[in-house]
Amino acid sequence: GENVEQHPSTLSVQEGDSAVIKCTYSDSASNYFPWYKQELGKRPQLIIDIRSNVGEKKDQRIAVTLNKTAKHFSLHITETQPEDSAVYFCAASTHTGNQFYFGTGTSLTVIP
Amino acid sequence: GAVVSQHPSWVICKSGTSVKIECRSLDFQATTMFWYRQFPKQSLMLMATSNEGSKATYEQGVEKDKFLINHASLTLSTLTVTSAHPEDSSFYICSARGGAGARGEQFFGPGTRLTVL
Repeated sequence: GENVEQHPSTLSVQEGDSAVIKCTYSDSASNYFPWYKQELGKRPQLIIDIRSNVGEKKDQRIAVTLNKTAKHFSLHITETQPEDSAVYFCAASTHTGNQFYFGTGTSLTVIP
Repeated sequence: GAVVSQHPSWVICKSGTSVKIECRSLDFQATTMFWYRQFPKQSLMLMATSNEGSKATYEQGVEKDKFLINHASLTLSTLTVTSAHPEDSSFYICSARGGAGARGEQFFGPGTRLTVL
């Protein structure tokens, strides 16, 4: 089965700096890679996703890059703000979406 | 759009009782629903995947007789924790994925916090 690893587990950055979270996966059949943000006690919210036919996708301050050969993908948050503080999860899924596995999570703290 | 609800949001029960958690997709038809378990400060652990009208597929290590999943319609899936024990206390989250043509993304319910005394 799929094995998704995520690093780092915790990350603290100064407000305005950039934050990078990296994930690797093991199943070459995976071709959909979403990122979720989860605030304490709340549901995970999809913030950005990427599919295997593209290498990079950007949405305002958030970007995701994918290296399918190396089986890794990363989340980049620029100009971080205190409200970006949360736990971020990466995930990997196949096209059918019937196999969906999460990374272990990264607790991001943005220091004002 | 793409709203998923869960009920109840919090339940406390005595050891040995069974608890049913409902997951509903409110504005779309969910051909596939997923059930996750999340311990404090940990990731979401996929328990099972259910497709409407068929038996759920359980992940390795998840007892299907303990965690009964029913996906009776395109908008409702239920998870029943049978004979709950304190070690079953956790945050249970469902998610739903749309039907044909869907891009594959999942939409999560707000979660159900189960406390077994």
